Amino acid sequence: AQSVTQLGSHVSVSEGALVLLRCNYSSSVPPYLFWYVQYPNQGLQLLLKYTSAATLVKGINGFEAEFKKSETSFHLTKPSAHMSDAAEYFCAVSDRGNYQLIWGAGTKLIIKP
Amino acid sequence: SQTIHQWPATLVQPVGSPLSLECTVEGTSNPNLYWYRQAAGRGLQLLFYSVGIGQISSEVPQNLSASRPQDRQFILSSKKLLLSDSGFYLCAWSDRGFEAFFGQGTRLTVV
Repeated sequence: AQSVTQLGSHVSVSEGALVLLRCNYSSSVPPYLFWYVQYPNQGLQLLLKYTSAATLVKGINGFEAEFKKSETSFHLTKPSAHMSDAAEYFCAVSDRGNYQLIWGAGTKLIIKP
Repeated sequence: SQTIHQWPATLVQPVGSPLSLECTVEGTSNPNLYWYRQAAGRGLQLLFYSVGIGQISSEVPQNLSASRPQDRQFILSSKKLLLSDSGFYLCAWSDRGFEAFFGQGTRLTVV
């Protein structure tokens, strides 16, 4: 069965530092991959998605992620963290043709001033 | 463009009372619809999903039920709430397994 692993329930970085949030998936075929952001007491918002086009995907708010098939990874990065990036981030995978997204447990990003 | 509406935003209900949360989608036809729950400090738990009117799949047996009376309407219900039903409930829609679009959520507190 599909699964998604997000390494680290909490990640803390200083403002201006590199943000790296890790996501690994298990799938026998290349899936669709997504990163979502959730601010407190709000719904989830799509940051970016991979659907088998370019392996480096750019999203909103300066985030990007790279699909690495050999590592079954889809890590999320941002060169310089901003205080407004503090939120919870979820990685998700969809089997093509399936109706469900499989979710990681989420990573709470903390930005230190 | 597509929009999703979910209400109410917050709800405080006594134990044993009924529940009805409603979600509607605009700007698309025959969407897949989902109800998720987030308990405090935990990730997303899929409760129900629907691929068409009257078609409901339950992922977790529990005190809740869902219905889809119209193509773009999805309702989450309970006849008698438990304390453990407290959480953040999210409705979402997707177009055949691609990305999901979420409502703003309902914070339910059962007291």
